[in-house]
Amino acid sequence: QKEVEQNSGPLSVPEGAIASLNCTYSDRGSQSFFWYRQYSGKSPELIMFIYSNGDKEDGRFTAQLNKASQYVSLLIRDSQPSDSATYLCAVTGSARQLTFGSGTQLTVLP
Amino acid sequence: EAQVTQNPRYLITVTGKKLTVTCSQNMNHEYMSWYRQDPGLGLRQIYYSMNVEVTDKGDVPEGYKVSRKEKRNFPLILESPSPNQTSLYFCASSFGGRGREKLFFGSGTQLSVL
Repeated sequence: QKEVEQNSGPLSVPEGAIASLNCTYSDRGSQSFFWYRQYSGKSPELIMFIYSNGDKEDGRFTAQLNKASQYVSLLIRDSQPSDSATYLCAVTGSARQLTFGSGTQLTVLP
Repeated sequence: EAQVTQNPRYLITVTGKKLTVTCSQNMNHEYMSWYRQDPGLGLRQIYYSMNVEVTDKGDVPEGYKVSRKEKRNFPLILESPSPNQTSLYFCASSFGGRGREKLFFGSGTQLSVL
């Protein structure tokens, strides 16, 4: 079992819709959770992080964390074509090292 | 401009020919790390450094060496490259401590080993 699992997609949503990206992790001692965005041919960039159960909102992005169920999600409201990218979930486990999922490819259709 | 600079962007080499990929950051970051990215496997950590002269193995260190003689530089060395090291490599840095997972990435180095 992978430590951090994501549906590889591709996930396609129409412009203006809500895109929902999900991630599960196996280490119950995980403390910190991150979402990185990677445009095709570019390097990853941090867009969201969350440490506590619940929701954290930043503009059109909302990160949701449920430690009991060991999942973290990213919602993108009012999706735009410029949101088309691969979204990487990353989790800091009990050993304090960051582990990345393999990413979900999102396409927002105009 | 705050950045992590990797060189070269593209590199084609042959099996066994030693190579170095350079990484430099101008943000006074304590933490630096190397990752490789392969299709379906995501980003996997090769080595990391918490500070000058402090380095440690990540998840896939075999076949790689690093050094951290200065705070700003963290070169990745492949002493005897093999075809299974063909990959996209990223250097990353951060302030360390609780924020060390908030990484700034370089532009990447696409390495092909023939």
